[in-house]
Amino acid sequence: AQSVAQPEDQVNVAEGNPLTVKCTYSVSGNPYLFWYVQYPNRGLQFLLKYITGDNLVKGSYGFEAEFNKSQTSFHLKKPSALVSDSALYFCAVRVLLTGANNLFFGTGTRLTVIP
Amino acid sequence: GAGVSQSPSNKVTEKGKDVELRCDPISGHTALYWYRQSLGQGLEFLIYFQGNSAPDKSGLPSDRFSAERTGGSVSTLTIQRTQQEDSAVYLCASSWGGAPIYEQYFGPGTRLTVT
Repeated sequence: AQSVAQPEDQVNVAEGNPLTVKCTYSVSGNPYLFWYVQYPNRGLQFLLKYITGDNLVKGSYGFEAEFNKSQTSFHLKKPSALVSDSALYFCAVRVLLTGANNLFFGTGTRLTVIP
Repeated sequence: GAGVSQSPSNKVTEKGKDVELRCDPISGHTALYWYRQSLGQGLEFLIYFQGNSAPDKSGLPSDRFSAERTGGSVSTLTIQRTQQEDSAVYLCASSWGGAPIYEQYFGPGTRLTVT
């Protein structure tokens, strides 16, 4: 079975400080990993994805994430947080399996950047 | 270009009534997904359409839920005899193809409230 865990429901960080939002996964097979962000009353927006190749992937709004196969993790990072980064962040995984057509989402982490 | 659109944005209905939710995917996207987001929870997969293939209905929670996609484009999710536990935000997403490498683009959602 495929699953994603986001161990922190809430992350608070001061503006200008680096931020990390954690994600671990459990899959059968090679994972395809995604991060999405949800602003209030908006749909999910794609941030970045890991498919293959370089373990460090860069995405929108200055975010990046590092794929760590041994730790089955895909943590989201940003060197300097902005107040506008405050939102709900979802990690998701998908695998190439017959019948596994959907993304499996974590329960989300609410990021609050404090001015 | 235009993103995924959903209508209505909000729907309040009485228990026992039927509702229809509409999704217009991004033009050219062959894959279409429906998810449900309940308060305080992550996203729950409902159904997946890819081209002219039979849909993957494995996520539908009961036989009161059904969906169709006409002409490979617009999709309608129908909930019959609504129950209070059906209250949630229903999200539609589309992607260029069904392969896991493609990120999904989400609509703003329809907030369904069953009274």
